[in-house]
Amino acid sequence: QMQLQVSGPGQAKPSETLSLTCIVSSYSIRGTYDFWGWIRQTPGKGLEWIGNIHHSGSTVLNPSLKSRVTISVDTSKNQFSLQLDSVTASDTGLYYCARQTSLPPSFGFAYYIDVWGEATTVTVSS
Amino acid sequence: QSALTQPPSASGSPGQSVTISCTGSTSDIGYSNSVAWYQQHPGKAPKLMIYGVNKRPSGVPDRFSGSKSGNTASLTVSGLQAEDEGYFYCTSYASLNNLVFGGGTKLTVL
Repeated sequence: QMQLQVSGPGQAKPSETLSLTCIVSSYSIRGTYDFWGWIRQTPGKGLEWIGNIHHSGSTVLNPSLKSRVTISVDTSKNQFSLQLDSVTASDTGLYYCARQTSLPPSFGFAYYIDVWGEATTVTVSS
Repeated sequence: QSALTQPPSASGSPGQSVTISCTGSTSDIGYSNSVAWYQQHPGKAPKLMIYGVNKRPSGVPDRFSGSKSGNTASLTVSGLQAEDEGYFYCTSYASLNNLVFGGGTKLTVL
């Protein structure tokens, strides 16, 4: 049974960089149609997709966060990471990592999150 | 990209049916059939209930069904049960491989 577990500090000060890692167990992240994503849930915006990464390293980022977000992958450790720069209080919330399935049109085009990890709480405060 | 629009709340009595709408644009819901619905209980991660507009993952009761017309997708819960209470969120593929969420609907079983 695939499991996704977020690790990383749950606190950050304003203007600092938040770094989280998602460790995937009992499943290889090298699947052709698997993308590995980050989603957050904040009081201000509800659920918000941050972006995703393919094991090849290709990323897609939410345009509204793109300037502050880096997502990377380490296939040797079967994990992927999120870096969010210049955090403010509005970045406070729950952060999830997840598997996102992306099937091409020849496979009946699909693009959705199907497996979620448990959330980690992030608090931005001085 | 803008969030998809959902009603903030919906309700129904046990055994009744309730439908939750999710309105987007030609750039997201109207662009493809990649609409999904999630149920979230307090303190838990969202759970996939519907994908591809109307497909149910294994284990999801057939009381849950989805549909789409133009730029609006809908989730119908038939035969409401107490455990159906919670928040429901829609998502859709959006241009350039982005994913957009709805604002969420709180479903109350009266």
